[in-house]
Order: sequence, then C-alpha cells, then structure tokens
Amino acid sequence: DIQLTQSPSFLSASVGDRVTITCRASQGISNYLAWYQQKPGKAPKLLIYATSTLQSGVPSRFSGSGSGTEFTLTISSLQPEDFATYYCQHLNSYPITFGQGTRLEIK
Amino acid sequence: EVQLVESGGGLVQPGGSLRLSCAASGFSFSDHYMDWVRQAPGKGLEWVARIREKASSYTTEYAASVKGRFTISREESKNSLYLQMNSLKTEDTAVYYCARANTATRYFDYWGQGALVTVSS
Repeated sequence: DIQLTQSPSFLSASVGDRVTITCRASQGISNYLAWYQQKPGKAPKLLIYATSTLQSGVPSRFSGSGSGTEFTLTISSLQPEDFATYYCQHLNSYPITFGQGTRLEIK
Repeated sequence: EVQLVESGGGLVQPGGSLRLSCAASGFSFSDHYMDWVRQAPGKGLEWVARIREKASSYTTEYAASVKGRFTISREESKNSLYLQMNSLKTEDTAVYYCARANTATRYFDYWGQGALVTVSS
C-alpha cells in the first residue's frame, strides 16, 4: 500500500499568510494526487486534483504542485474561511489512501 | 444540483450487520464510479470501497480492513448506492460518506453529508 505522510500535522497561521502543506508518498504516484478541505462536521471538499488542477469554483489562492513522491498545497493569502483540515489523497493504485491530515488553525 | 444522501446508520452490536444506502440525484448516476469513505471520531479519512459503472461490469475494490466483511453494490433503477456491512467490529465505528467519482478523473468531486455507524455493546 502507498502511504501518504503530510507535514506539518498542525499549522497555526494568520489571515493573509502564505502557507504550504507537504504530502510525501512512500512510492512514486506520478501526478495522481488530490487535496481536500474539511471543516468540522462537514464532508470533505475537493480543492485540487491531478496534482495541480483547480476544481471548479475553488479560489485561485489555492495551488498545487509536485510529482513522483513529493507534493505541496499552497494557499497564497489565507482567508478566514480557509481554516480547516486538509487531506491529500492518491489515486495511483488500490487501495486509495489519504494522508493523516493537516489542521490549519488561526494564530 | 448533485445530491448524495446517506441513510441507514445507527447503533449495532459487535458481530452485527447494517446496510447503508446513498440516494443520488442531479446527475447521471449510471455513468459514475461510486465510493464509500469513512472517518472514525476525531480521526482522518479512510477509503472503504469503490464500485465501477455498468460499462466496467460493476467491478469492485475494497480496503483490506473491510474486505470479506463489507459489500458495495448499486441499483441503477433507484439511483442508489449501498454498503452491506457484516461482522462489524468496534473499530468500524465512523461516519460513512458516499462519494461520486468524476467520470474523467476519478477523484471524489461530490460527497454526501455522512451517516454515523456506532458499533458498541
């Protein structure tokens, strides 16, 4: 199974900050990586798929990059509604797996 | 508007069974792979199972943790997805989400609101 490890697991930041979350895969997954945002009590929401493609309706302050085993999600200027938990997910093979999550909180 | 609405959650004893349903609307259900994803209380997301569409012969995939105990199925005439869960364990306690996989990319582009399954004596 492919393991996805996110870092950091917890991040404290302020409105307007630029933040980056990293997702490392235990083996190469080409570009088969997505990022989801989840707020408390809600279902996850797809932000980015295929490493860098923004899902329709997602603000352009979100961006993704990477390939192979290392990927990043960047939020260029944090907004109040961005404080949530973020998960990476791969689709390279079965089983599909998610990272353990990165909780982004207001400083 | 795409909607996915889960039902069938509840409290069940260890070793028991439960069937979750997911009613889909607002899109061509028969064209999409469909998945179940779960989230234990205070924990992260865990993919559970996938069922492909008719063109792919409704083939299925499972996480190792549920293989042999859970069965994913779908009923096109009712636009519904199911998860039959047998031999339930306390570690199966979670919110279960159904999710639609995009036809082109297979990523989960729509999710239901979730159904809570609690396995406890």
